[in-house]
Amino acid sequence: DADVTQTPRNRITKTGKRIMLECSQTKGHDRMYWYRQDPGLGLRLIYYSFDVKDINKGEISDGYSVSRQAQAKFSLSLESAIPNQTALYFCATSDPTGSWTQYFGPGTRLLVL
Amino acid sequence: GIQVEQSPPDLILQEGANSTLRCNFSDSVNNLQWFHQNPWGQLINLFYIPSGTKQNGRLSATTVATERYSLLYISSSQTTDSGVYFCAVTATGNTPLVFGKGTRLSVIA
Repeated sequence: DADVTQTPRNRITKTGKRIMLECSQTKGHDRMYWYRQDPGLGLRLIYYSFDVKDINKGEISDGYSVSRQAQAKFSLSLESAIPNQTALYFCATSDPTGSWTQYFGPGTRLLVL
Repeated sequence: GIQVEQSPPDLILQEGANSTLRCNFSDSVNNLQWFHQNPWGQLINLFYIPSGTKQNGRLSATTVATERYSLLYISSSQTTDSGVYFCAVTATGNTPLVFGKGTRLSVIA
């Protein structure tokens, strides 16, 4: 079984709809992250959380919100989706040992019409 | 904040050839990681290498921290090496990684 899972894997929605992307991990890591990937732009950080009570904005948090329901769960919400939020979204965790090695989920492809 | 530049942006190789991918960063770092994104989108961590040299099979990486660059070497490339290679760095343990824009590698049989 995958250590970091994301649901749904693919989603099509309409402008103005609220949607939630979910991430779960079985690695026991405290640190979790949400990124979006657009062609040619690499990975950009949306939000991150270093433990259950900690939430931090990343580079591109406008239009997004997150919830850290438990150590293992970190959800990303688009309150009112718009077409330029069409992207590939990744959840990740990082190893609490000295290396902070990062592990990614399989990604969610989101299309906003 | 710290800037990360990767070169070349695109690379096409014949199967069996060797290649070198470069990552330059603008400030001192205490964490540097290389990732491979396969054509199906999956991101895999290749190396944690803030300094020194590591090898894993046909892949190796070297980071010269004092000169602010890292190199990823791929020897005897295979079609399965195709995808995008990302370098990511951070200056402290309490800030997230900053990713470069990647190098897209295409290995042709």
